[in-house]
Amino acid sequence: GQQVMQIPQYQHVQEGEDFTTYCNSSTTLSNIQWYKQRPGGHPVFLIQLVKSGEVKKQKRLTFQFGEAKKNSSLHITATQTTDVGTYFCAGRGWSSNYKLTFGKGTLLTVNP
Amino acid sequence: GAGVSQSPSNKVTEKGKDVELRCDPISGHTALYWYRQSLGQGLEFLIYFQGNSAPDKSGLPSDRFSAERTGGSVSTLTIQRTQQEDSAVYLCASSLPGTSGRGTDTQYFGPGTRLTVL
Repeated sequence: GQQVMQIPQYQHVQEGEDFTTYCNSSTTLSNIQWYKQRPGGHPVFLIQLVKSGEVKKQKRLTFQFGEAKKNSSLHITATQTTDVGTYFCAGRGWSSNYKLTFGKGTLLTVNP
Repeated sequence: GAGVSQSPSNKVTEKGKDVELRCDPISGHTALYWYRQSLGQGLEFLIYFQGNSAPDKSGLPSDRFSAERTGGSVSTLTIQRTQQEDSAVYLCASSLPGTSGRGTDTQYFGPGTRLTVL
């Protein structure tokens, strides 16, 4: 079945440093979503990417979808303590128009 | 407006007992998902409901797990004869149905039920 790998598993940065998490699918995706889960909280939707090579920005966050629609990345510029949490990618394959396969997430901690 | 609600927020049970977890989706959301999140892990898909269609139960880990959705709204996840490996956070999410073709729905998650099996 479809698998979504996400690296790194953990990332600790100093406030102000940049951060990137990468997501790789075993199969071509129809779209990919990103979620953020604060410690003790539940996942909250950030963004969805649909088109090959798509790049979307939300303030300091930049999301990319690979040309082959098998990989994606989330880059945070100049991290802040409010960025702390686990970032999940979730890919939707072509065989289902509803099922998301989640990566295991990257836990970001920020040292002030 | 009100988001997805789940109850109880915490449940501690003894091995072998049955438990019921409840999810109230956002009003008007016809799609409902259950996920399981073990400590430090990603979200494991369990089951999906969409309107009156037959649910997708492909993610249920064993026949001890079952779920129902009454009246297209509230859903209950039941775990029979709980085992210690069932300990996890059980998350419910709801969404509008995806647009025709490839589904563009955003999933809105509830706060989860933390299940501990002693």
